[in-house]
Amino acid sequence: QKEVEQDPGPLSVPEGAIVSLNCTYSNSAFQYFMWYRQYSRKGPELLMYTYSSGNKEDGRFTAQVDKSSKYISLFIRDSQPSDSATYLCAMNQFYFGTGTSLTVIP
Amino acid sequence: EAQVTQNPRYLITVTGKKLTVTCSQNMNHEYMSWYRQDPGLGLRQIYYSMNVEVTDKGDVPEGYKVSRKEKRNFPLILESPSPNQTSLYFCASSLSAGGVYEQYFGPGTRLTVT
Repeated sequence: QKEVEQDPGPLSVPEGAIVSLNCTYSNSAFQYFMWYRQYSRKGPELLMYTYSSGNKEDGRFTAQVDKSSKYISLFIRDSQPSDSATYLCAMNQFYFGTGTSLTVIP
Repeated sequence: EAQVTQNPRYLITVTGKKLTVTCSQNMNHEYMSWYRQDPGLGLRQIYYSMNVEVTDKGDVPEGYKVSRKEKRNFPLILESPSPNQTSLYFCASSLSAGGVYEQYFGPGTRLTVT
């Protein structure tokens, strides 16, 4: 079993939709949870960072961590075409999910 | 501007011809690493370096070499490339390796080995 599991998608949504991206993990020692966004032909860039359980909001983005279920989520409200990218979760800096490809259709 | 640079961005080569991909960061970061990214497999770590002269294998080190003679540079060397090393490669750096720190990625090098 991989330490981090992420549905690769692809996910295609209309502009304005709420998007939910998810990862599960197996290692209960993970404490630091990150979401990276990777545009086509670019390197990943940090989008959100949370420590332990709870929610963190930044504009249209909300990161949620449920340590009891070993489950993390990234919600995008009012999605825009510019949100089209691959989203990678990462645990404790080095344990990456495979990424979910998102396309927001105008 | 804080950044990680890689060169070349695109490279097509033939089996067995030695090549080097350069990586440099200007953020005075201690930790640097190389990843390859393949469809369905995500990012896999090849080698990493905790500091100058300290390097160690990641998950997929076979066929690769690295060196860290200066803090800012971390070149990736393929002594005898093979077609299964065709991939998208990323260099990354972070302040340290405590599990807490953001990684800064370079723009990527797309390598094709024929």
